[in-house]
Amino acid sequence: AQTVTQSQPEMSVQEAETVTLSCTYDTSESDYYLFWYKQPPSRQMILVIRQEAYKQQNATENRFSVNFQKAAKSFSLKISDSQLGDAAMYFCAYRGLTGGTSYGKLTFGQGTILTVHP
Amino acid sequence: DVKVTQSSRYLVKRTGEKVFLECVQDMDHENMFWYRQDPGLGLRLIYFSYDVKMKEKGDIPEGYSVSREKKERFSLILESASTNQTSMYLCASGLSARNQPQHFGDGTRLSIL
Repeated sequence: AQTVTQSQPEMSVQEAETVTLSCTYDTSESDYYLFWYKQPPSRQMILVIRQEAYKQQNATENRFSVNFQKAAKSFSLKISDSQLGDAAMYFCAYRGLTGGTSYGKLTFGQGTILTVHP
Repeated sequence: DVKVTQSSRYLVKRTGEKVFLECVQDMDHENMFWYRQDPGLGLRLIYFSYDVKMKEKGDIPEGYSVSREKKERFSLILESASTNQTSMYLCASGLSARNQPQHFGDGTRLSIL
């Protein structure tokens, strides 16, 4: 079974600075997707960024980028020019492409609470 | 925009009650999911459904059941609520295509007294 680990329960950053959230996963599959979701205090989970395992290039969405190291099974999220609105719980998630996961089942990490200081 | 609507944001029930949590999505997604969110544990999958009347157990199905009579609606049922089922419950929907994310509702914070 796949597992996802976020080893940082809490992180903080100054407004306009850069912060990196860590995520590692364990899988025997070679093809899969990885996601970062954001859950603000309003509670609705919002997709931040996604990465396909077969793509060498790291995904980027505006101020959000990932460092995907397939061999190390590492998928970290970098937030540049942090804003107050970035404060939230961030979840890393894994989607395999075999068995029940073909229906889109996700395995989540424990989450990292990000605080942004003005 | 995809809209996933959960019937209640907050719910308080008593031990032994039968509890229904309802979820509706408006994007014709074939897959729907129920997760439970607890501090330090992230989100854990309770059940999911890939078609009307079809369901599969997730990682923590004990004490729960589900119903999907219509494509847009997925219900989570606590047959006899217990205090250890006090939690945040999140519903999600999505397509089966490999790169498609799940879309989430606002969550229901359920307290069992």
